[in-house]
Amino acid sequence: GAVVSQHPSWVICKSGTSVKIECRSLDFQATTMFWYRQFPKQSLMLMATSNEGSKATYEQGVEKDKFLINHASLTLSTLTVTSAHPEDSSFYICSAPIFEGYEQYFGPGTRLTVT
Amino acid sequence: AQSVTQLDSQVPVFEEAPVELRCNYSSSVSVYLFWYVQYPNQGLQLLLKYLSGSTLVKGINGFEAEFNKSQTSFHLRKPSVHISDTAEYFCAVMKDSNYKLTFGKGTLLTVNP
Repeated sequence: GAVVSQHPSWVICKSGTSVKIECRSLDFQATTMFWYRQFPKQSLMLMATSNEGSKATYEQGVEKDKFLINHASLTLSTLTVTSAHPEDSSFYICSAPIFEGYEQYFGPGTRLTVT
Repeated sequence: AQSVTQLDSQVPVFEEAPVELRCNYSSSVSVYLFWYVQYPNQGLQLLLKYLSGSTLVKGINGFEAEFNKSQTSFHLRKPSVHISDTAEYFCAVMKDSNYKLTFGKGTLLTVNP
């Protein structure tokens, strides 16, 4: 079946630095990808929709200048957390819809810890 | 805005026992409903979905769920669980056919021998 990968799976960075997370569709093209954020014991919250070749659309309350999204190819979307702070520590998950039966494939997630 | 409530954060059961994981949603419009499973260090996998038609939906690994519009519920069931069913289960809704999902907080199912 279709696979979505994320890299890195776990990253630790210092406060004030930026970190980039990659989301790749391995055997299919994804013109759209979604980025979710999950706090411990909480549900996944949709952050933004990544569109290949155009600007991402952000959900209400998500800072677009802090969470930069680039979808430069049909198989890669990146999320850059700029000037990270400890409150940005979370589990970030991407997904890619296959536009068939309203299904989508999820990456395994990236755990970000900001010290 | 819609919301999804998974009433149990943790459900411990013994192997071969039946299990029901509860999910209620609130929405003023028709929605599509999904159950996903997440095994450790893996991405969410689709167990089953309700789009329309029969309210009883069968999924992978012997799971099934029943859509109840009047009670706005979509509970997940399995008549006999295995150790390998130990995982986190998420209920999710989609409205407007836009592929954006609203998730519940998840239920950790632990199957003990």
